[in-house]
Amino acid sequence: DAKTTQPNSMESNEEEPVHLPCNHSTISGTDYIHWYRQLPSQGPEYVIHGLTSNVNNRMASLAIAEDRKSSTLILHRATLRDAAVYYCILRDVLIFGNEKLTFGTGTRLTIIP
Amino acid sequence: DAGVIQSPRHEVTEMGQEVTLRCKPISGHNSLFWYRQTMMRGLELLIYFNNNVPIDDSGMPEDRFSAKMPNASFSTLKIQPSEPRDSAVYFCASILTSGGGTGELFFGEGSRLTVL
Repeated sequence: DAKTTQPNSMESNEEEPVHLPCNHSTISGTDYIHWYRQLPSQGPEYVIHGLTSNVNNRMASLAIAEDRKSSTLILHRATLRDAAVYYCILRDVLIFGNEKLTFGTGTRLTIIP
Repeated sequence: DAGVIQSPRHEVTEMGQEVTLRCKPISGHNSLFWYRQTMMRGLELLIYFNNNVPIDDSGMPEDRFSAKMPNASFSTLKIQPSEPRDSAVYFCASILTSGGGTGELFFGEGSRLTVL
């Protein structure tokens, strides 16, 4: 699997937007970009995914660079409940049965009240 | 739906004992995963099944670990004999395989294992 690089930790103030970066310079044309997060004492949960175009859902937005070598997860208005470890993961869709996710170290997001 | 159900939530055992962790995936999902999480190594994929068949077990640490999926609604991860270094949180996850790698994995709440 192609590798991703994320900052180890970030802090943000409550009720402000948060931009979580992810670099994936070796991404292939068939890699989808997935984001998961893990709240304290819970299993990871899906946040969002995309291929080329920017994506929005009720939890977040995903901005993908034009060359796809980086992406940014955007939380529009952070709350204390968004404090978690955020994982950026690439998944190659051309590999049959490749539903597995390989987690890196992620970014630990701290929300300051 | 109740989500992915794991049991037990907590297990404390002594070195050398057999440990069995259980998982019930979401109904209708056809792929199941076992992950292990420790502070030192993060989240590691141990094994995953597709339609009850093991597809990739390259993450299983050694012969002391074994996993089975006798049917679509149940899987076990067994450690025999257990060692203190096996202490970790073990997560089970399931997905409806779309063939396109875009599906969403659903994780259970984990089983925290402590081996004394």
